[in-house]
Amino acid sequence: GENVEQHPSTLSVQEGDSAVIKCTYSDSASNYFPWYKQELGKGPQLIIDIRSNVGEKKDQRIAVTLNKTAKHFSLHITETQPEDSAVYFCAASDQAGKSTFGDGTTLTVKP
Amino acid sequence: GAVVSQHPSRVICKSGTSVKIECRSLDFQATTMFWYRQFPKQSLMLMATSNEGSKATYEQGVEKDKFLINHASLTLSTLTVTSAHPEDSSFYICSARQGAAEKLFFGSGTQLSVL
Repeated sequence: GENVEQHPSTLSVQEGDSAVIKCTYSDSASNYFPWYKQELGKGPQLIIDIRSNVGEKKDQRIAVTLNKTAKHFSLHITETQPEDSAVYFCAASDQAGKSTFGDGTTLTVKP
Repeated sequence: GAVVSQHPSRVICKSGTSVKIECRSLDFQATTMFWYRQFPKQSLMLMATSNEGSKATYEQGVEKDKFLINHASLTLSTLTVTSAHPEDSSFYICSARQGAAEKLFFGSGTQLSVL
């Protein structure tokens, strides 16, 4: 089955700095890679996603890159704000819609 | 955007009782719903996949007789934790997708505490 590894497990940055979270996956059949933000006591919220036929996608301060050959994808948050503090999960999904999640990254943005 | 409503948000029950958690898609038809379990500071663990009108598919190690899943309509799936015990205490989350669409929309989660 699919295996997703996510790094780092914790990340602390100063407000205004950039944050980068990286994930690798093992199954070449995975073709959809979403990123979720989860705040304490809440369900995950989709913040950006990318499909396997695209190398990069950007939405305001958030961007995701995908290297299909190397089987890794990354989340980039620029100009971080304290409200960006949360747990971020990457996932790899197959065509059946079954998702495998990374272990999560706790991002802390210090004012 | 698509909204998935999950209730209750928090439930405390006595050991041996059963608890039902509801997951509703409010503005779209969810042909597939997924149920997850999440322990503190850990990732989401898929428990089962639920397709409308058919039996749920459970992941390895998940007891189907303990975690009963019903997906009787295109907008509602329920998870019933039967004869709950303290080790069943966890955060349970559902997600839903429409047809073959890739995006998953998550409920807000249910914190189950079994005394």
